[in-house]
Amino acid sequence: NAGVMQNPRHLVRRRGQEARLRCSPMKGHSHVYWYRQLPEEGLKFMVYLQKENIIDESGMPKERFSAEFPKEGPSILRIQQVVRGDSAAYFCASSRATSGDFPSSYNEQFFGPGTRLTVL
Amino acid sequence: DQQVKQNSPSLSVQEGRISILNCDYTNSMFDYFLWYKKYPAEGPTFLISISSIKDKNEDGRFTVFLNKSAKHLSLHIVPSQPGDSAVYFCAASAGGSNYKLTFGKGTLLTVNP
Repeated sequence: NAGVMQNPRHLVRRRGQEARLRCSPMKGHSHVYWYRQLPEEGLKFMVYLQKENIIDESGMPKERFSAEFPKEGPSILRIQQVVRGDSAAYFCASSRATSGDFPSSYNEQFFGPGTRLTVL
Repeated sequence: DQQVKQNSPSLSVQEGRISILNCDYTNSMFDYFLWYKKYPAEGPTFLISISSIKDKNEDGRFTVFLNKSAKHLSLHIVPSQPGDSAVYFCAASAGGSNYKLTFGKGTLLTVNP
């Protein structure tokens, strides 16, 4: 009964490199969410995906950041040309669908352990 | 623009006593509120939630109170145990985009034996 899996747990990149963060949702969950936590801050919503669809990316920076959730395989958060300000903990969460395409109002999102990205 | 505020960065309580964690919000569109607990190097774990149509929800040692007119909610833990020591996040969501959780900065609770 594995929970939400994220890898790598720690990622170090130099400025200008690319970072790829992976998230495997819980079994039976078809909704994935990415959040970012900057130092001394709360988690901030970035993007909400279903299989092969981006539902809401209103929290994603307009440049350098992208996310996908392919039909097969984990969800990927990709950050191109990283800068020091991208250093943060990135959390993935998943939830199941109930009626229709949207989670129920009881929006229990299960979180992974996070990936801590450090940009040198 | 912080829509969910946890004004106490930390709280220290004796084992067996009550812990009260507070949270204020500014967005009147929020209609669902959640508390998450987080241990170091782990992701947040859902604890308890409350809909805006209620003013209280209880689950074992945990009770959440909601005062809509004051835009304030609180989490009560009775009795507190050392294993409750963690960071507690208050989160909220609004109707049409109920998947988008807005988190406070968290309160570090320390329960002393």
